[in-house]
Amino acid sequence: DVKVTQSSRYLVKRTGEKVFLECVQDMDHENMFWYRQDPGLGLRLIYFSYDVKMKEKGDIPEGYSVSREKKERFSLILESASTNQTSMYLCASSLWNLNTEAFFGQGTRLTVV
Amino acid sequence: DAKTTQPNSMESNEEEPVHLPCNHSTISGTDYIHWYRQLPSQGPEYVIHGLTSNVNNRMASLAIAEDRKSSTLILHRATLRDAAVYYCILRVPGQNFVFGPGTRLSVLP
Repeated sequence: DVKVTQSSRYLVKRTGEKVFLECVQDMDHENMFWYRQDPGLGLRLIYFSYDVKMKEKGDIPEGYSVSREKKERFSLILESASTNQTSMYLCASSLWNLNTEAFFGQGTRLTVV
Repeated sequence: DAKTTQPNSMESNEEEPVHLPCNHSTISGTDYIHWYRQLPSQGPEYVIHGLTSNVNNRMASLAIAEDRKSSTLILHRATLRDAAVYYCILRVPGQNFVFGPGTRLSVLP
């Protein structure tokens, strides 16, 4: 019954590496989101997308980019990973309709060393 | 961003009802009130949502004030598995789900 799947549960990368976090949803949702979650700071929106090839910056886009080539897949890219990007990353998806809920993936815990 | 305020933490005894409050005084007429919860080491999961009327589902009930400036999530009989961080958020045009710090619920056996 998995609906939003993140490619990795745990990831360890080196400083300066290019990192790809993948998210796939099987519900034909228009909207997809990437958040990061840090202790004491809650969930903060990095980017979201409301359609294929469309993207909007969230509250903390610096150091990140995204790609949405297909409706079901939304990728978060760390162009050059840094230690301050060590965090839990959460992907979510929803329909455009406000009267519907969001579905979240299990999260990817990324450690940059 | 649409703002909500919740208590930082609450405690409940197992098998007792829990009322989790949320204030959203700046809510607009088309904003939906959503509740999510996050269990340890998991992504947030949907609990319930509503617009104006009270709502019930298998997980919880949502009581919305008449002026819509506040709401209460009701867990009818708390279990140990309900220990989580509960988030009250407004779903507004612009389509973002904006999360605040939430309420950490502890359930005591």
